[in-house]
Amino acid sequence: AQSVTQLDSQVPVFEEAPVELRCNYSSSVSVYLFWYVQYPNQGLQLLLKYLSGSTLVKGINGFEAEFNKSQTSFHLRKPSVHIRDTAEYFCAVRENNNAGNMLTFGGGTRLMVKP
Amino acid sequence: SAVISQKPSRDICQRGTSLTIQCQVDSQVTMMFWYRQQPGQSLTLIATANQGSEATYESGFVIDKFPISRPNLTFSTLTVSNMSPEDSSIYLCSVEDGDRPVEQYFGPGTRLTVT
Repeated sequence: AQSVTQLDSQVPVFEEAPVELRCNYSSSVSVYLFWYVQYPNQGLQLLLKYLSGSTLVKGINGFEAEFNKSQTSFHLRKPSVHIRDTAEYFCAVRENNNAGNMLTFGGGTRLMVKP
Repeated sequence: SAVISQKPSRDICQRGTSLTIQCQVDSQVTMMFWYRQQPGQSLTLIATANQGSEATYESGFVIDKFPISRPNLTFSTLTVSNMSPEDSSIYLCSVEDGDRPVEQYFGPGTRLTVT
């Protein structure tokens, strides 16, 4: 069974500073990886995804993530954050097989951007 | 991506009552999913609903407590039965993108408070 660990429950950062939100996963098969963002009182929005190919994937709002198979990680980065990036960020994994469509989510990281 | 709406957006219910949450999609989709997000927590999959078949429930969730209907390819309902304060959560439906079936898109959620 797959599992996802987001190492930081909260990340405070000043506006215009760079940020990295860490995600590690565990799975016995190859996986698809996702980052979702949840703004206050809203549903989840897909930020970016890794399905195959280039390990560096770019998403919306200036975010990018790098898939590292050897370290089983998929860390999310942004070179310069804005106040509007304040939100909850979820890493999710889905196994690349025909066993089902289940997404497993990490515990979430609350990004708090301060002026 | 599919546009998903949920009704109600929020509700406050009394212990012992039931609430039915509706999920409407603007396009036909094969697979729909229901998730629960308890306060301050990540998302947990309740069940997968395919049109024309019984929903498949994850460990810890049962049909008597969370009956699901899926009458057509654009609509589903989740009922939270015999509610207790522990059922206070955000309930989200999601769908797989028909053109990119690996990706899931989420509705805005239904915020349920049980008193």
